[in-house]
Amino acid sequence: DIQMTQSPSTLSASVGDRVIITCRASESINYRLAWFQQKPGKAPDLLIYKTSNLESGVPPRFSGSGSGTQFTLTISSLQPDDFATYYCQHYNSYPRTFGQGTKVEVK
Amino acid sequence: EVQLVESGGGLVQPGGSLRLSCEASGFTFSYNEMNWVRQAPGKGLEWVAHITYSGKLTFYADSVRGRFTISRDNAKNTLYLQMNSLRADDTGLYYCVKESASGYHFDRWGQGTLVTVAS
Repeated sequence: DIQMTQSPSTLSASVGDRVIITCRASESINYRLAWFQQKPGKAPDLLIYKTSNLESGVPPRFSGSGSGTQFTLTISSLQPDDFATYYCQHYNSYPRTFGQGTKVEVK
Repeated sequence: EVQLVESGGGLVQPGGSLRLSCEASGFTFSYNEMNWVRQAPGKGLEWVAHITYSGKLTFYADSVRGRFTISRDNAKNTLYLQMNSLRADDTGLYYCVKESASGYHFDRWGQGTLVTVAS
């Protein structure tokens, strides 16, 4: 099984900050990496798919990059609506493992 | 508009059974592969099961294989999860999740149905 390791687990930031979240896969996943945002009491929302493709309707301050086993989600200028928990997930094989999540909180 | 509406959750004793349903609308259900994902209270996301378009192929997490069965009825636009031999660690919010028809990523989630396994 492919393991997904996200870091950090918690990130304290201020509005306007550049935020970077990292996700590492235990083996190559052929760019089949997605990022989700989840707010308390809500279902996750897709932000990024296939490493760097922005889902329709997602603000361009979100971007994804990476290759092989190392991937990043970047928020270029953190907005009040962005305080949430973020998950990476691979979909290259089964089981379709998620990272453990990164909570972005107010500094 | 894509809608996924889960139902069937509730309180069940350890060893008991539940069947979850997910009614889909706003897209051609038979064109999309589907999944169940769960989230224990205060914890992260765990993929549970996957089913292909026709329902002929299914995949499961090790934690539920042999106890849970995913199925679908394309005529009714409905996805199911039959859960048997439930344990306390099966407690959580169960989400129905649609895969993109073009890319296999998870592109829409339902709001979830809560399953509580306790005596």
